[in-house]
Amino acid sequence: EVQLVESGGGLVQPGGSLRLSCAASGIIFSSYWMSWVRQAPGKGLEWVANIKQDGSEKYYVDSVKGRFTISRDNAKNSLYLQMNSLSAEDTAVYYCARVGRVSGDFDYWGQGTLVTVSS
Amino acid sequence: FMLTQPHSVSESPGKTVTISCTRSSGSIASNYVQWYQQRPGSSPTTVIYDDHIRPSAVPDRISGSIDRSSNSASLTISGLKIEDEADYYCQSYDGTTVVFGGGTKLTVL
Repeated sequence: EVQLVESGGGLVQPGGSLRLSCAASGIIFSSYWMSWVRQAPGKGLEWVANIKQDGSEKYYVDSVKGRFTISRDNAKNSLYLQMNSLSAEDTAVYYCARVGRVSGDFDYWGQGTLVTVSS
Repeated sequence: FMLTQPHSVSESPGKTVTISCTRSSGSIASNYVQWYQQRPGSSPTTVIYDDHIRPSAVPDRISGSIDRSSNSASLTISGLKIEDEADYYCQSYDGTTVVFGGGTKLTVL
């Protein structure tokens, strides 16, 4: 059974930092692009970042460039998102998702972890 | 590019509803379109990928298509059931960045 389990969310003050983790099981983690997707309360889905199988390519939505860093550790079957200079606009549920196909289909999602940026 | 969806649609059980997803620039056929269903409190799940392909667990009441003339993709759900009530998102990927539509709330009443 495929499982993606996020952790690391919580309450952080504006300007603060947080590191999210996603533990994968039931998949050959190193064979897939992985992504972070977020959803602000009551809002739609927003793609945040992608990372290639070997970590050699990374892409970000403009609003997080220079502040967020996606990374992975294939030996630990884990995906990470380092978030710095957080603002209220970053408040959201953050999902880890597997890019299952070349077309960019997210075929597996985690349950999400809530990040709240507030003083 | 952006993907634009209607904010909400509603229809009665047993009827058919179509949700559109219009691409703002570039051809809708340039990159595959996916559709996700998200029920309240749950993570999204794929109902259509590669424009029109259904995952095995998705009923054949659900179908997807693209229309080059209107530069849009469509998700059609026939024989509506109460359980189809959810938010639906279209998504496309240009090889580096991912774009989601704003989402459509489907109400089955």
